[in-house]
Amino acid sequence: NAGVMQNPRHLVRRRGQEARLRCSPVKGHSHVYWYRQLPEEGLKFMVYLQKENIIDESGMPKERFSAEFPKEGPSILRIQQVVRGDSAAYFCASSPPGWDEKLFFGSGTQLSVL
Amino acid sequence: DQQVKQNSPSLSVQEGRISILNCDYTNSMFDYFLWYKKYPAEGPTFLISISSIKDKNEDGRFTVFLNKSAKHLSLHIVPSQPGDSAVYFCAAINWGGSNYKLTFGKGTLLTVNP
Repeated sequence: NAGVMQNPRHLVRRRGQEARLRCSPVKGHSHVYWYRQLPEEGLKFMVYLQKENIIDESGMPKERFSAEFPKEGPSILRIQQVVRGDSAAYFCASSPPGWDEKLFFGSGTQLSVL
Repeated sequence: DQQVKQNSPSLSVQEGRISILNCDYTNSMFDYFLWYKKYPAEGPTFLISISSIKDKNEDGRFTVFLNKSAKHLSLHIVPSQPGDSAVYFCAAINWGGSNYKLTFGKGTLLTVNP
């Protein structure tokens, strides 16, 4: 009965490299959300995806960030040409079809940009 | 622009006493509120929620109170236990708008001393 699985737990990148964060939702959940927590801040909504569709990406920075949730496989949050300001904890959450406010969060990926 | 504010970064209480965590919001469109608990190195987990049509919701040792006129909510934990030590996030939703998009406060670190 696995929950939301995120990997890697920690990711270190140098400025200019690419970061790929993976998220496998709870089995049977078709809705995935990505949140970012900057140091000393609360979690901030980035993007909401359903299988093969981006529903709302209003929280995503306009450049360098992209997300997908393919028909098969995990959801991927991709950050190109990382900068120091991208250092944060990135949390993925999932929910079943239909609204359920009790989002199930993964343990997060801590991204550190050197 | 912090729409959900948790003005106390930390709170320390004795085991068996009451813990009161506070949260204020500024956006009048918010009509559903949630509390999440987060242990170190884990993702947030849903604790309790309240709709704006209510002023109180209770679940075991946890009670959330909502004062709409003051745009204020609080989480009461009675009696507090050492296992309650965690970061508590207040979150809000505009149910009539993007009801999947949670706006989080910065969190309050609760420490319950044995």
